[in-house]
Amino acid sequence: GAVVSQHPSRVICKSGTSVKIECRSLDFQATTMFWYRQFPKQSLMLMATSNEGSKATYEQGVEKDKFLINHASLTLSTLTVTSAHPEDSSFYICSARGGRTTETQYFGPGTRLLVL
Amino acid sequence: QKEVEQNSGPLSVPEGAIASLNCTYSDRGSQSFFWYRQYSGKSPELIMSIYSNGDKEDGRFTAQLNKASQYVSLLIRDSQPSDSATYLCAKGEAAGNKLTFGGGTRVLVKP
Repeated sequence: GAVVSQHPSRVICKSGTSVKIECRSLDFQATTMFWYRQFPKQSLMLMATSNEGSKATYEQGVEKDKFLINHASLTLSTLTVTSAHPEDSSFYICSARGGRTTETQYFGPGTRLLVL
Repeated sequence: QKEVEQNSGPLSVPEGAIASLNCTYSDRGSQSFFWYRQYSGKSPELIMSIYSNGDKEDGRFTAQLNKASQYVSLLIRDSQPSDSATYLCAKGEAAGNKLTFGGGTRVLVKP
């Protein structure tokens, strides 16, 4: 299967700071990348869809000014959590779509964010 | 009614037995379906996709799709303790190319 990486894998920050998470497709060009959030013992919640070179599409209830998404190339998308607060603490996972099987999404390993 | 429904479990299965997981969906027009496995604290990993009615086999896994009845299932043969995880069913959305996930079924394989 296709390989997707995320960095960092874990981050602890103080309330009010901004955190940037990178998502890279390593062996294929990702036409679309997705950002999910998962709270403990809950299922994945899609936050936004990003297509290379265009603005991200956010799901209802997700603040686009708080969760900034940039998809500057076919292999890199970034999620910036601005002015993070403790309630933003969660497991953030990206996925990438593209490659040989264009419908399938391949997930990155996730980034665990803890805001103190 | 949720778009994709799964029994949350846990589904307890003895080692070596067959684990049977079910998933139902509400949109009759859905065309693509996926099964992902998620270990605790990890991200989902793709098991298989299925698009046509019938069975699709990959190793110890068999996915079954019945569009008329709007369900998709996953069978795990010769279950191993390492199969203990949460299994997520997802359907593809033509608009926006998104996936809609079910809540997942937790499977426990006991030695």
